[in-house]
Amino acid sequence: AQSVAQPEDQVNVAEGNPLTVKCTYSVSGNPYLFWYVQYPNRGLQFLLKYITGDNLVKGSYGFEAEFNKSQTSFHLKKPSALVSDSALYFCAVRDGGASNFGNEKLTFGTGTRLTIIP
Amino acid sequence: NAGVTQTPKFRILKIGQSMTLQCTQDMNHNYMYWYRQDPGMGLKLIYYSVGAGITDKGEVPNGYNVSRSTTEDFPLRLELAAPSQTSVYFCASRPGLSYEQYFGPGTRLTVT
Repeated sequence: AQSVAQPEDQVNVAEGNPLTVKCTYSVSGNPYLFWYVQYPNRGLQFLLKYITGDNLVKGSYGFEAEFNKSQTSFHLKKPSALVSDSALYFCAVRDGGASNFGNEKLTFGTGTRLTIIP
Repeated sequence: NAGVTQTPKFRILKIGQSMTLQCTQDMNHNYMYWYRQDPGMGLKLIYYSVGAGITDKGEVPNGYNVSRSTTEDFPLRLELAAPSQTSVYFCASRPGLSYEQYFGPGTRLTVT
């Protein structure tokens, strides 16, 4: 069974400081990893993904994430936080090793609420 | 290009009533999904479809049904609504060659 853990329910960061939102995963095959952001009363928006290749992936709004296979982690980072980054962030994983039809399950973490303090 | 649209935005149902949540996408995506989001939880997959006429169960399918007669539409049917189905429901889609999903704005459903 695949799973995602986001160990922090809430992260507070001062504006202009670097931010990190943590994610660890468990999957039997190759991990396909994603970060989504959710603003109040909105659907989820895709930020970035890791499928294969370079361990450091860059995404929307200046966010990046580093895939670490040995630590089974995929932490989200940004060098300088903005107040507009305040939102709910979800990490998700799917098993890239199985056939597509039998493995459409995308498992989400429980989310981390990021608050950027002016 | 509206993306993924969902109707209604809000709905209150009485126990035992039925309703259909509508989902339409205009991106010609083959894959479509229904999720529910409960407070403090991640999203749980209810049903998904890999193309018109093909659907399959996700993690939490009990109490729901789906159909996919066209590429654009993927309605979710609730039969005999129960309080446990109070949730926010999201529809999503993705193209065949890419794995990121595009989400609709959600339907907030309350069953009392």
